[in-house]
Amino acid sequence: TQLLEQSPQFLSIQEGENLTVYCNSSSVFSSLQWYRQEPGEGPVLLVTVVTGGEVKKLKRLTFQFGDARKDSSLHITAAQPGDTGLYLCAGAGGANNLFFGTGTRLTVIP
Amino acid sequence: DAMVIQNPRYQVTQFGKPVTLSCSQTLNHNVMYWYQQKSSQAPKLLFHYYDKDFNNEADTPDNFQSRRPNTSFCFLDIRSPGLGDAAMYLCATSRDIRELLTDTQYFGPGTRLTVL
Repeated sequence: TQLLEQSPQFLSIQEGENLTVYCNSSSVFSSLQWYRQEPGEGPVLLVTVVTGGEVKKLKRLTFQFGDARKDSSLHITAAQPGDTGLYLCAGAGGANNLFFGTGTRLTVIP
Repeated sequence: DAMVIQNPRYQVTQFGKPVTLSCSQTLNHNVMYWYQQKSSQAPKLLFHYYDKDFNNEADTPDNFQSRRPNTSFCFLDIRSPGLGDAAMYLCATSRDIRELLTDTQYFGPGTRLTVL
């Protein structure tokens, strides 16, 4: 089993603050995806990173894939209440499924 | 337009009473997955179909079965639900396993199962 550890597990911040969520593994992944899941809904894909060292930006969200393709980070600038949700990283190991991280539950307080 | 549809969104069953959850997709994807997600945890893969080929995860209990009568539909059958089976059940699809390098799984909204 390829394990992905996310930190922090829970994060509560004030609107306008910045934050970073980390996704770490001892395994190498061919690609890594970040999802956001709101209560009562399924996960929604935010981004896929494929190349080691790759950085992708999605408005206020910046995603980075580690050089060795074992880790990733998600940075949110000026967090908004609408950013509240469960953030999941998921690694594709070249087999037939995704290995989901342990999740980070973010709460942005207005 | 909804691409992965799950019915019902909420299901209540009694301990030991069989229940079936439904998933349909309009994407014509080859692969369909069923995940179990308990509160504040990551989704856990139960099994998936690649076309008609069924692939069971090693730690999926025998209590959980699945059927895929055609490309569009996939069902999750829980033969004798226990209290520990209460969870959100997520269906997902992807185009083709062989393109997993940049493939995407599209998730449905989930069915929340309560076992009384």
